Amino acid sequence: LAKTTQPISMDSYEGQEVNITCSHNNIATNDYITWYQQFPSQGPRFIIQGYKTKVTNEVASLFIPADRKSSTLSLPRVSLSDTAVYYCPGRTGANNLFFGTGTRLTVIP
Amino acid sequence: DAGVIQSPRHEVTEMGQEVTLRCKPISGHDYLFWYRQTMMRGLELLIYFNNNVPIDDSGMPEDRFSAKMPNASFSTLKIQPSEPRDSAVYFCASSKGLAGEYSYEQYFGPGTRLTVT
Repeated sequence: LAKTTQPISMDSYEGQEVNITCSHNNIATNDYITWYQQFPSQGPRFIIQGYKTKVTNEVASLFIPADRKSSTLSLPRVSLSDTAVYYCPGRTGANNLFFGTGTRLTVIP
Repeated sequence: DAGVIQSPRHEVTEMGQEVTLRCKPISGHDYLFWYRQTMMRGLELLIYFNNNVPIDDSGMPEDRFSAKMPNASFSTLKIQPSEPRDSAVYFCASSKGLAGEYSYEQYFGPGTRLTVT
C-alpha cells in the first residue's frame, strides 16, 4: 500500500509561488507520480505527472528528487482561481489510486 | 467528448429509501471507478470495473451498497436501504488503464451530492 502524505491545508497571497510537497515513502520502482486538482463542486482533474526530475506544463511544475520519496507541486504566481484541493494519490495494493483528503490551498487577495 | 456523465447531480431522500446513482463513462475507457467523498475521510474508492466486470469492491462499506455495469456505457451504484451516514458526494471516473507502471489519468464526472435525511 503506497499511501502518500501531504499537508492538510495551505494559505498563500495572490501572486506568490506555492509549493506543495507530498511524501511517497512506499512508492514502487516503476510508479509514476501524479497530481490532481479539485475545485469546489467539481470532480478532481489530472494536472501533471512525472517519473523523476522536473516536469512543467501550462498549469504547474513538478519536481521529483532522485530518490523519488517525495514530490513538490509548484504553482507560479497563484491567483484566486487556484483555490482548490490538490491531491498526490498513492497507488494501493489493488493497483489503483488512493486520494485521501489532499491539500486545501486557499489563495488570499 | 462530453466527459463522464453522472445523474442525478443532487439527490435528497429519506432514510430507508433506495437510491440509484448513474454513470456514463468516456467512450473507449475500459475502467470505471466509483468514489465517495466526505470531509472526514476525503476521496475513497468504493469499487472499480474492468471491461464491465467488477474487479475490486473492497471499498464498498457494507452490503447495502451494490454496483453494476451492464454494458460499456453505463453503470449504477445503488444504496438500499439508505442511511443518513451515506450522505456524501459520489463520483464516477473512467480511464484507459490502471494507475501504476504506465500511469493512466482518471477522468472524473461532476459528482452526485446525496443527502439522506
